[in-house]
Amino acid sequence: DAGITQSPRHKVTETGTPVTLRCHQTENHRYMYWYRQDPGHGLRLIHYSYGVKDTDKGEVSDGYSVSRSKTEDFLLTLESATSSQTSVYFCAIASRSGEWEQYFGPGTRLTVT
Amino acid sequence: AQSVTQLDSHVSVSEGTPVLLRCNYSSSYSPSLFWYVQHPNKGLQLLLKYTSAATLVKGINGFEAEFKKSETSFHLTKPSAHMSDAAEYFCVGGNFGNEKLTFGTGTRLTIIP
Repeated sequence: DAGITQSPRHKVTETGTPVTLRCHQTENHRYMYWYRQDPGHGLRLIHYSYGVKDTDKGEVSDGYSVSRSKTEDFLLTLESATSSQTSVYFCAIASRSGEWEQYFGPGTRLTVT
Repeated sequence: AQSVTQLDSHVSVSEGTPVLLRCNYSSSYSPSLFWYVQHPNKGLQLLLKYTSAATLVKGINGFEAEFKKSETSFHLTKPSAHMSDAAEYFCVGGNFGNEKLTFGTGTRLTIIP
């Protein structure tokens, strides 16, 4: 298995509070991604990073921010959590292999009450 | 832009019978295509990938997929279903050199004993 961990694995929080999810990799891969998974939607890209301090938006980036100060860590922050952000969040990594397969972490289940 | 369409949201087969999960893609460029599997409460695992080297791609656990440009399809097959194949399967597309992937909405495979 690719060396990807996510923390926390489960979290319950209240509407309006900030939440930070962490993705940590031991593969030294350049690219890192945050997705959310919701029934009927598959996985949708929130943000991704193509290097330290280099990030870009995905298709569902509103309400989320990211930071990457080290190659191994990619943080996702919900600035003010809403119930619509209740979801399962997956981190993924990819090397510049030219084939772009991504390897996924175990996921974080977030519930916003 | 790359897009993928999974034609069935749910497929049920009996144990020991063939599996067919259908995926169509649309792309203006030569695509990279992948199939991922997700077992309940788990992360996503790469089953196989197509990157133009060969049209018939073999993956793990006896799965294979055939890239058919004339039909813009990349269907996933397995000759004989096993109970452990019960999971959700995602068809995923990307363009060579593009670091973002596009996910289909998933097909849930149920195996009948």
